[in-house]
Amino acid sequence: GIQVEQSPPDLILQEGANSTLRCNFSDSVNNLQWFHQNPWGQLINLFYIPSGTKQNGRLSATTVATERYSLLYISSSQTTDSGVYFCALDTGRRALTFGSGTRLQVQP
Amino acid sequence: DAGITQSPRHKVTETGTPVTLRCHQTENHRYMYWYRQDPGHGLRLIHYSYGVKDTDKGEVSDGYSVSRSKTEDFLLTLESATSSQTSVYFCAIWREGQETQYFGPGTRLLVL
Repeated sequence: GIQVEQSPPDLILQEGANSTLRCNFSDSVNNLQWFHQNPWGQLINLFYIPSGTKQNGRLSATTVATERYSLLYISSSQTTDSGVYFCALDTGRRALTFGSGTRLQVQP
Repeated sequence: DAGITQSPRHKVTETGTPVTLRCHQTENHRYMYWYRQDPGHGLRLIHYSYGVKDTDKGEVSDGYSVSRSKTEDFLLTLESATSSQTSVYFCAIWREGQETQYFGPGTRLLVL
């Protein structure tokens, strides 16, 4: 099956800093999504981005499908950005394969 | 909020007992999913459903069965729970058109 690798596994930032999270994948995909899992365990959909670039406030994402990677940018980080960020891919069954996540801690 | 509820939210059980987790959705979505989340593994797909009585296996389906007798409910059953099934279980739906997946709040299961 498809392999999904996320880096870095852990990241500690000071409030106000910027960060880039990376997701590499091994096969062509129909669908790529980014999720945020907050410290209470809730999973929140951030982006549906099989290709191209999208922005939502301080967050933006870029997927380069031909090179099999996606990037999630967080600018001016806040403590509420803490949690785990997952990328997940669908190869055609509408069932997602998740990476193991990047755990982000934003310190005040 | 995608109108997804899971019950129970927490459960402690003993090895060898049967356990059923329920996922309920209010928006009439066709696709529903069960995942488990364990430290170091992200989320892994157990089973999914693409319609009433239509289900398929995911990557970690051994020891689990599912049923979907009506659109709004998707049940996950552990026929004989084992300690390796201690995990957090998430239900999800696929919102067609948006092509995005939305998750329930999760069920924390401890098998002693």
